[in-house]
Amino acid sequence: EDQVTQSPEALRLQEGESSSLNCSYTVSGLRGLFWYRQDPGKGPEFLFTLYSAGEEKEKERLKATLTKKESFLHITAPKPEDSATYLCAVQAAGNQFYFGTGTSLTVIP
Amino acid sequence: EAQVTQNPRYLITVTGKKLTVTCSQNMNHEYMSWYRQDPGLGLRQIYYSMNVEVTDKGDVPEGYKVSRKEKRNFPLILESPSPNQTSLYFCASSPRTSGSHGEQYFGPGTRLTVT
Repeated sequence: EDQVTQSPEALRLQEGESSSLNCSYTVSGLRGLFWYRQDPGKGPEFLFTLYSAGEEKEKERLKATLTKKESFLHITAPKPEDSATYLCAVQAAGNQFYFGTGTSLTVIP
Repeated sequence: EAQVTQNPRYLITVTGKKLTVTCSQNMNHEYMSWYRQDPGLGLRQIYYSMNVEVTDKGDVPEGYKVSRKEKRNFPLILESPSPNQTSLYFCASSPRTSGSHGEQYFGPGTRLTVT
């Protein structure tokens, strides 16, 4: 069964305190792994696509990496504006998408 | 402005009263999809469409219908809503025409309550 699990469910960081969010997946025929950011009351906002193990993508303070079983979203020196829920999703061999339940990140000034 | 719009944004209805949630995108995207988001369950895909007149089931299609008669519109139809369809619904579209469609642009959401 295709499945995506994110951890931790919630994370509180001091401004400037770097950390990582985890996304582990089991999927038949991974076509892509995706990271989104979701602010309260809004739709998810696309961040990254990763296709194969070893691939890395960066955007400002965020860096996403991919292995054969999991992905990490590294947040370097976060700021309060990075507070949001971060969602991980995979596309399996077909065209269906499976999302994790997200990590709620709070960055305290 | 490039965007995905949904209407209505909020809807309270009663069990069994047919309703339609509209979704429209102005980016000429071929791929469109509907999701529902529930606490503890995350986003779950209901239906998706690869192009006009091409639709397919996602993970949780029971109780829903869709149609894709035009590229820009992808309405979600609940013919006989039930309380377990109370949820936050999102429409999304993707600019990719082949391969992975994970780069999706989401609408603002429709909060549906069925009593």
